[in-house]
Amino acid sequence: QSVLTQPPSVSAAPGQKVTISCSGSSSSIGSNYVSWYQQLPGTAPKLLIYDNNKRPSGIPDRFSGSKSGTSATLGITGLQTGDEADYYCGTWDYSLSAEVFGGGTKVTVL
Amino acid sequence: EVQLVESGGGLVQPGGSLRLSCAASGFTFSSYAMHWVRQAPGKGLEYVSAISNNGGSTYYADSVKGRFTISRDNSKNTLYLQMGSLRTEDMAVYYCARRRRDGSGNYYDYWGQGTLVTVSS
Repeated sequence: QSVLTQPPSVSAAPGQKVTISCSGSSSSIGSNYVSWYQQLPGTAPKLLIYDNNKRPSGIPDRFSGSKSGTSATLGITGLQTGDEADYYCGTWDYSLSAEVFGGGTKVTVL
Repeated sequence: EVQLVESGGGLVQPGGSLRLSCAASGFTFSSYAMHWVRQAPGKGLEYVSAISNNGGSTYYADSVKGRFTISRDNSKNTLYLQMGSLRTEDMAVYYCARRRRDGSGNYYDYWGQGTLVTVSS
């Protein structure tokens, strides 16, 4: 059971938009910045969003992040087949003194 | 180019030991905290352990505390994870990851390719 809660899967047609929610607590998301990671099949995770809404160099602006209270959201617009992957949210949890992750959300492009 | 290359994974019996290594290159290794994160087959990501940039502070998930030891050799640009009293639930791909702190949040900006640890009799 993951500390952060994500939906197991989301799907949409090419070109459409999907959003992935990440719910935490006051000691996790409520107190810290959130990052998002993309894991393509058979590969290591890759940083997608940091500090709630910032994109590393090379990440297209189709990917966006936001945070409100104890929840965060990842948005993907203009969905492409290459976006099919597992997406994880992560943050530090002060009460656990550990980095915590969501269980991951599988994005399927229909 | 930042590179993190893990090694040392393999098959080990329950109760056994294994030492993982993570060779870093392309950045000033001694300037960054480093973490180990694992992923059991078909499961999500799980924080395992962390070490400060100079090795003076170490942290562990409750699930591995007392069994695993994280260390680093900044002269060799290498991170280690000594794993003992291994259990079947420790079976996973182990990733080393660079911890970045830019004044706001903390996050993993680079990950290795992972090394598989299989615990089975």
